[in-house]
Amino acid sequence: AQKITQTQPGMFVQEKEAVTLDCTYDTSDPSYGLFWYKQPSSGEMIFLIYQGSYDQQNATEGRYSLNFQKARKSANLVISASQLGDSAMYFCAMSYSGGGADGLTFGKGTHLIIQP
Amino acid sequence: DTGVSQNPRHKITKRGQNVTFRCDPISEHNRLYWYRQTLGQGPEFLTYFQNEAQLEKSRLLSDRFSAERPKGSFSTLEIQRTEQGDSAMYLCASSLVRLTADTQYFGPGTRLTVL
Repeated sequence: AQKITQTQPGMFVQEKEAVTLDCTYDTSDPSYGLFWYKQPSSGEMIFLIYQGSYDQQNATEGRYSLNFQKARKSANLVISASQLGDSAMYFCAMSYSGGGADGLTFGKGTHLIIQP
Repeated sequence: DTGVSQNPRHKITKRGQNVTFRCDPISEHNRLYWYRQTLGQGPEFLTYFQNEAQLEKSRLLSDRFSAERPKGSFSTLEIQRTEQGDSAMYLCASSLVRLTADTQYFGPGTRLTVL
């Protein structure tokens, strides 16, 4: 069974600082995908970044980067130069690419608050 | 707007009533997913379709839950005989399945309140 663990229920960060949101995962499948989503108070889940289990390089998308450490089964999200608009819930998720159920397994999320 | 849309955005119903939610995916996407999100938790996968075929439904919470995607375009999620524990946000997502990345894009959700 797959499991995603996010150990930081909440974080307060000063504007313009870099932020690291932790995510560890557990799976026995060799092929999987890791995702980060942002959920503002409006409720919509916004896709941020994706990392495949066989990707050699860490994924980057603008101010977002994913620090993928496969041996440690961690996939931390790094947000550079944080902005007030980054305040939201952040969810780490995993997909199973080996067939069968293809829904995402989500962690419990981290509530990020950016302070001016 | 070419994103995923869901209707209604909010639904208040009395216990025991049936409710139906609609999801319209991104037009070229062939996969459609339903999730439930309760307060303080991440979304929980319920079921998904590839085109009109429902490929996974074992995660539906009970036999009161059912989903359809009759023509491979929009989908409906029905909850029969609603209970107070069904109160949650119901999220729909769609994706274009490829050999590798299968990024799911979510709609705004339908918030259900069962009185």
